[in-house]
Amino acid sequence: KAGVTQTPRYLIKTRGQQVTLSCSPISGHRSVSWYQQTPGQGLQFLFEYFSETQRNKGNFPGRFSGRQFSNSRSEMNVSTLELGDSALYLCASRGGEGNTEAFFGQGTRLTVV
Amino acid sequence: AQSVTQLGSHVSVSEGALVLLRCNYSSSVPPYLFWYVQYPNQGLQLLLKYTTGATLVKGINGFEAEFKKSETSFHLTKPSAHMSDAAEYFCAVSDFGGSTLGRLYFGRGTQLTVWP
Repeated sequence: KAGVTQTPRYLIKTRGQQVTLSCSPISGHRSVSWYQQTPGQGLQFLFEYFSETQRNKGNFPGRFSGRQFSNSRSEMNVSTLELGDSALYLCASRGGEGNTEAFFGQGTRLTVV
Repeated sequence: AQSVTQLGSHVSVSEGALVLLRCNYSSSVPPYLFWYVQYPNQGLQLLLKYTTGATLVKGINGFEAEFKKSETSFHLTKPSAHMSDAAEYFCAVSDFGGSTLGRLYFGRGTQLTVWP
């Protein structure tokens, strides 16, 4: 059974640009969450999607957005990139209601220059 | 709201020695508790979890943790460290039944170094 797949693994962008990251959850999983990991702030929750609906959102500016498609694949978008957006972005999938175990992908390392 | 405190950002042990990584949590509802491990440039791998039932939880790679409600703790232990255990370890809490709906709250992590 394939795990959580995140693409791309590495990305370099310039300040002011926008970026889209992709996450394919484990087959059959309906919940996808996104986390940002930085040395300064640690692991911070961005948002969670379940059956194409955003169910929970962390404390991030509106530049950070996401969506989930009918096949449960999810994308997150960051517009008007800032240097501080440089981070490892992790995606996690869960089976859904009642499933407590979150499986993480290997992450996308975003560097903003 | 939930929160996690990991005592000690760095822990060093000799190979074969006991590993003890400390985690204290705060939760307004019965918590679900997790330990994850992260190797360099990798995602998070679940070591073990506590949801309900037995308070001593066994995980992968010989790790175990004990949920102590009175101490609001969920410390991770391994009787004998191996070089391959060197990594960063994260404790996390969630409630899954409340408004957070599966959101994980992570501690700041503990970097484990294992000396030969």
